[in-house]
Amino acid sequence: EAQVTQNPRYLITVTGKKLTVTCSQNMNHEYMSWYRQDPGLGLRQIYYSMNVEVTDKGDVPEGYKVSRKEKRNFPLILESPSPNQTSLYFCASSPPGGYQETQYFGPGTRLLVL
Amino acid sequence: QKEVEQNSGPLSVPEGAIASLNCTYSDRGSQSFFWYRQYSGKSPELIMFIYSNGDKEDGRFTAQLNKASQYVSLLIRDSQPSDSATYLCALRWGSARQLTFGSGTQLTVLP
Repeated sequence: EAQVTQNPRYLITVTGKKLTVTCSQNMNHEYMSWYRQDPGLGLRQIYYSMNVEVTDKGDVPEGYKVSRKEKRNFPLILESPSPNQTSLYFCASSPPGGYQETQYFGPGTRLLVL
Repeated sequence: QKEVEQNSGPLSVPEGAIASLNCTYSDRGSQSFFWYRQYSGKSPELIMFIYSNGDKEDGRFTAQLNKASQYVSLLIRDSQPSDSATYLCALRWGSARQLTFGSGTQLTVLP
């Protein structure tokens, strides 16, 4: 089944404790992104990647890191989480192609930073 | 700066009615536009895309795009309670298929 997977789905942590949220897609997509979703603010892009070893900042990159060492994986790293990073996080991937191609989302990771 | 504004709602319509969701955007260089549906606590799922001026129909859904007015809309005909969700408008831009989203419109279809 073609899908984007994220782990963990739910995470409670404390301020300053490094964490990684994994994202994997099995569709051989080149493009991958991370978003966070907060009430009233919609989905905001954190980082995106055009291919292996090619990443760039989105609209809200502060406090986050990413890496793209393999095409299928795009982990999101919070080196020192803070309470304002409490949010719902989505990973997404997109194939190459024309104007009809868009991003397909993983199931989400709900993070609470105490 | 690319911005997308949606009528934030919430919007309530009776079952069987037409629901109209609207979105305006600020960037004339946008490539295409997408409507996603998101149920509470779930991930966004694609409903429709449009990139040419005019109307595009798919079943009960019609997307409308007016690039001169920088306006995109989604009509849902014969609304069903199962259509109750948040609808997100997004514009695609850039070489990496970046998406900029509106804040969403919460739709409730009343039985």
